[in-house]
Amino acid sequence: GESVGLHLPTLSVQEGDNSIINCAYSNSASDYFIWYKQESGKGPQFIIDIRSNMDKRQGQRVTVLLNKTVKHLSLQIAATQPGDSAVYFCAEISFYGQNFVFGPGTRLSVLP
Amino acid sequence: EAGVTQSPTHLIKTRGQQVTLRCSPISGHTSVYWYQQALGLGLQFLLWYDEGEERNRGNFPPRFSGRQFPNYSSELNVNALELEDSALYLCASSLSRYSNQPQHFGDGTRLSIL
Repeated sequence: GESVGLHLPTLSVQEGDNSIINCAYSNSASDYFIWYKQESGKGPQFIIDIRSNMDKRQGQRVTVLLNKTVKHLSLQIAATQPGDSAVYFCAEISFYGQNFVFGPGTRLSVLP
Repeated sequence: EAGVTQSPTHLIKTRGQQVTLRCSPISGHTSVYWYQQALGLGLQFLLWYDEGEERNRGNFPPRFSGRQFPNYSSELNVNALELEDSALYLCASSLSRYSNQPQHFGDGTRLSIL
């Protein structure tokens, strides 16, 4: 895992707008990626995953995009709601799950 | 299906004391991971257990240790507590170390050192 300073990157969006949270990963051998949501006082919650043989995967109101050329992952949240306010972490996994690395996190703040 | 459970939820200790945190993985999961999350920071990997064996260890001093039991539950032990050990300790479990599977987290133990 990685550590960051006390000031997490913050994304502020209006309720109802779409949100895009970005993540740069470091290991070109990573073949599995996950997005987690962490609400205050709780553990990270699995949102969606994607394997390296795909470049897009959709869930309910969420879409993950993977660009292996530039080692970039993004999470799109449609029609952002107040309940989406949380810290979002990406994770990159390699070597059949034996190397699991979390990104630094982005705080999403939904404005009324 | 019950999720990952951790106990206790909160704990207050003083410097120099020892603490044991407990984790029960999701039924059927053999891998257990421990992370430290200091206030406002990301997840720092501590330990990984699978099938009763320690598989990997993060950059933490030896006073952080643990074990995994035959039923796959796990304990994290921290000796000679220091003020900077104050953090949320998270446990996660996954199905197997042989395939790409998501880690599922408990809600953590909040440890405060006075």
